Amino acid sequence: DAKTTQPNSMESNEEEPVHLPCNHSTISGTDYIHWYRQLPSQGPEYVIHGLTSNVNNRMASLAIAEDRKSSTLILHRATLRDAAVYYCILRGRGYNTDKLIFGTGTRLQVFP
Amino acid sequence: DTAVSQTPKYLVTQMGNDKSIKCEQNLGHDTMYWYKQDSKKFLKIMFSYNNKELIINETVPNRFSPKSPDKAHLNLHINSLELGDSAVYFCATTYADGELFFGEGSRLTVL
Repeated sequence: DAKTTQPNSMESNEEEPVHLPCNHSTISGTDYIHWYRQLPSQGPEYVIHGLTSNVNNRMASLAIAEDRKSSTLILHRATLRDAAVYYCILRGRGYNTDKLIFGTGTRLQVFP
Repeated sequence: DTAVSQTPKYLVTQMGNDKSIKCEQNLGHDTMYWYKQDSKKFLKIMFSYNNKELIINETVPNRFSPKSPDKAHLNLHINSLELGDSAVYFCATTYADGELFFGEGSRLTVL
């Protein structure tokens, strides 16, 4: 069973910011929060990950709630190429037994 | 160079046949996975190998047999193919608690 819950779909207009939420109320103290996205007909690709502090990279920002029970992936200016399914997953440090369970993800539509 | 490469990309075959999908990674990672994505787009983990040793086997029928000849390769052999095996199969690799790198997928269609 997925340890995260996300809205099934979201919509945005081009060049607007997008905030994709994820709930992970059963997160353990050593779980990292990872985000991936899957463009049509491609394999999932890594977007960003974090543990406690907010993170920024060239693709997105990750805002992690203080109690770590939720997080938000922020795309600062959505483009048409950002239309994809976004997955939030938890990644434990014991990677040998980590099942890396993907939920249903959020399908992001971006309109011109 | 592609970090994770899978072959073939497309595979169409008849029920009852045996087929294999190959995966190779050039990242030097110790851990490799097979995921199955069905028509409903749900990504489900099947197997995980760490340094050629099977770590995770997620109640996959024993018709599926992964084989890791070395830590850069994780192949998936499927015996007696069934209609329900039609899906896209993704290979992935990772190191420690870092990011996952996925291949482009192998679309299997069983007729």
